[in-house]
Amino acid sequence: EIVLTQSPGTLSLSPGDRATLSCRASQSVSNSFLAWYQQKPGQAPRLLIYGASIRATGIPDRFSGSGSGTDFTLTISRLEPEDFAVYYCQQYGSSPRTFGQGTKVEIK
Amino acid sequence: QVQLQESGPGLVKPSQTLFLTCTVSGGSINIVYYWSWIRQHPGKGLEWIGYIYYSGATYYNPSLKSRVTISVDTSENQFSLELNSVTAADTAVYYCARASPGYFDYWGQGTLVTVSS
Repeated sequence: EIVLTQSPGTLSLSPGDRATLSCRASQSVSNSFLAWYQQKPGQAPRLLIYGASIRATGIPDRFSGSGSGTDFTLTISRLEPEDFAVYYCQQYGSSPRTFGQGTKVEIK
Repeated sequence: QVQLQESGPGLVKPSQTLFLTCTVSGGSINIVYYWSWIRQHPGKGLEWIGYIYYSGATYYNPSLKSRVTISVDTSENQFSLELNSVTAADTAVYYCARASPGYFDYWGQGTLVTVSS
């Protein structure tokens, strides 16, 4: 099973700041089959990125993903008020599918 | 626009079977996707339970495999989760989702299931 470790646990930033979230895998994620999700309180997760860098339909271009192998990054170029949430990475290169423990982006 | 909606009891007694159904609307379940169950323990992260291909092939998380059955009813455009011998550790919000095929692009709103006597 691939273990995904996200860092930091919490990111305290202001609107307009740049956010950089990390996801590190315990072994290489094949074909860069890594996705990112955003979850707000009381809501289901929303797909942001798949294939490490492909934005899902309707996702603003301030969200970008990069990385390969064991190291992946989600970048939010300029935080909007609606971007304060918890972000999860997920790998689908091998079974079982696994998620990281999440990074909370909170308002500073 | 595909929509998914979970339904089922919100309270299950220990040692009994949890049974949830996910109804898919806005599209047929009988196409090339994997129909999934994912859960989230209160205040915690996400755990993939398993999924079923429209043909009926199933894939389960080994950590739950001995207790889980996922089935599909294409005539009703629904798929279901059975989790037997539940304990308090199975208390969670349960989500159904569409996997395309490995990432989850459409999600239900989630339903809280509490295991308690």
